[in-house]
Amino acid sequence: TQLLKQSPQFLSIQEGENLTVYCNSSSVFSSLQWYRQEPGEGPVLLVTVVTGGEVKKLKRLTFQFGDARKDSSLHITAAQPGDTGLYLCAGPYFGNEKLTFGTGTRLTIIP
Amino acid sequence: DARVTQTPRHKVTEMGQEVTMRCQPILGHNTVFWYRQTMMQGLELLAYFRNRAPLDDSGMPKDRFSAEMPDATLATLKIQPSEPRDSAVYFCASALGWNGYTFGSGTRLTVV
Repeated sequence: TQLLKQSPQFLSIQEGENLTVYCNSSSVFSSLQWYRQEPGEGPVLLVTVVTGGEVKKLKRLTFQFGDARKDSSLHITAAQPGDTGLYLCAGPYFGNEKLTFGTGTRLTIIP
Repeated sequence: DARVTQTPRHKVTEMGQEVTMRCQPILGHNTVFWYRQTMMQGLELLAYFRNRAPLDDSGMPKDRFSAEMPDATLATLKIQPSEPRDSAVYFCASALGWNGYTFGSGTRLTVV
């Protein structure tokens, strides 16, 4: 089973701080998606990155796809309590159309 | 917004009983997935369908799990007989091809 590791596993920070979470694999992705999941709900798609080196911004969230297409990061600026949730990266590896999900980062923003 | 609808939201059952979970994918989505989420294993793909045809069910225990799509508006996941280790949240998701998935709210299954 291919492993998609996210770090940190848990993160608790004060409102207004910045943070970065990481998604790493030893294999190459054809694309990569980030999801946020709130308690009692399913994951919700935030963004899809396709090209190596690609950067996408979604308000205070910045997503980057590594040049080698093996890693990705999510940076949140001025975190707000509404950012609290489980952040999951997911991607299909080249040659495999199935979507593999990462281990997740559980983020808590303290008001 | 279009939604993926899953029923029931919660299910408590005794070991050995049959459990059926249902999913109504988004109209027009041609790919349907079943995932299981636990604290230990995270999100695991159990099975998926494209245009109602099963493409991969390698993630499912074959002896007790079965997944079907009797029509384009309904996907089912059955467990028979259920075991305590099957306790988890089961998610259905649908997509158009391999674009981003839309997940349902899940069925929280507890087998006692």
